[in-house]
Amino acid sequence: EIVMTQSPLSLPVTPGEPASISCRSSQSLLHNNGYNYLDWYRQKPGQSPQLLIYSASTRASGVPDRFSGSGSGTDFTLRISRVEAEDVGVYYCMQGLQTPTFGQGTRLDIK
Amino acid sequence: EGQLVESGGGLVQPGGSLRLSCAASRFSFSTSWMSWVRQTQAPGKRLEWLGNIKQDGSQKNYVDSVKGRFTISRDNAKNSLFLQMNNLRAEDTALYYCARGAFGDSVFDIWGQGTMVTVSS
Repeated sequence: EIVMTQSPLSLPVTPGEPASISCRSSQSLLHNNGYNYLDWYRQKPGQSPQLLIYSASTRASGVPDRFSGSGSGTDFTLRISRVEAEDVGVYYCMQGLQTPTFGQGTRLDIK
Repeated sequence: EGQLVESGGGLVQPGGSLRLSCAASRFSFSTSWMSWVRQTQAPGKRLEWLGNIKQDGSQKNYVDSVKGRFTISRDNAKNSLFLQMNNLRAEDTALYYCARGAFGDSVFDIWGQGTMVTVSS
């Protein structure tokens, strides 16, 4: 099983400021096709998870461009260039290279 | 935009069984891999992928923790996905989601609202 580790677990952010979440995998997520099978999901309070980023850096349809993903191999980062109040929620990374496993989640709150 | 609606959750005793359903609409269900994912409620609200099923039902994959106890099936004529859960344990208590996708190239891009399963005597 590939273990996913996120940090920090709690992230208070002032509106308008940037935010960054790290995700590390216990094995490389780089497939021999050149894609990293790492996805990011956000779960707003009281809602189901929503796909934000797939293949480490591709934004899902409708996701604002202030969200970006980067990284390769075992180290990945989700960045929000300017946090807005609607970004509150729990962010999860997930590896899809093998049987999917999720990180513990990072709770983003507004200061 | 596609929609998924789960049903069938409830309170069940340890060792009991439950069948969850997931009704799909507004997307091509018959051409989609489908998965079940659950989320424990406390602490930490961890997400756990349970398994998936190919478009025609010919291939199914499960996480080790539910192999032999849970079975995924589908009815493409009724745009429905199912999760048969047997020999339930307290640790199966969670919110159960269906989602479109398999993993890898097929991401989880549509999720239902979830149905709660509580295993307790």
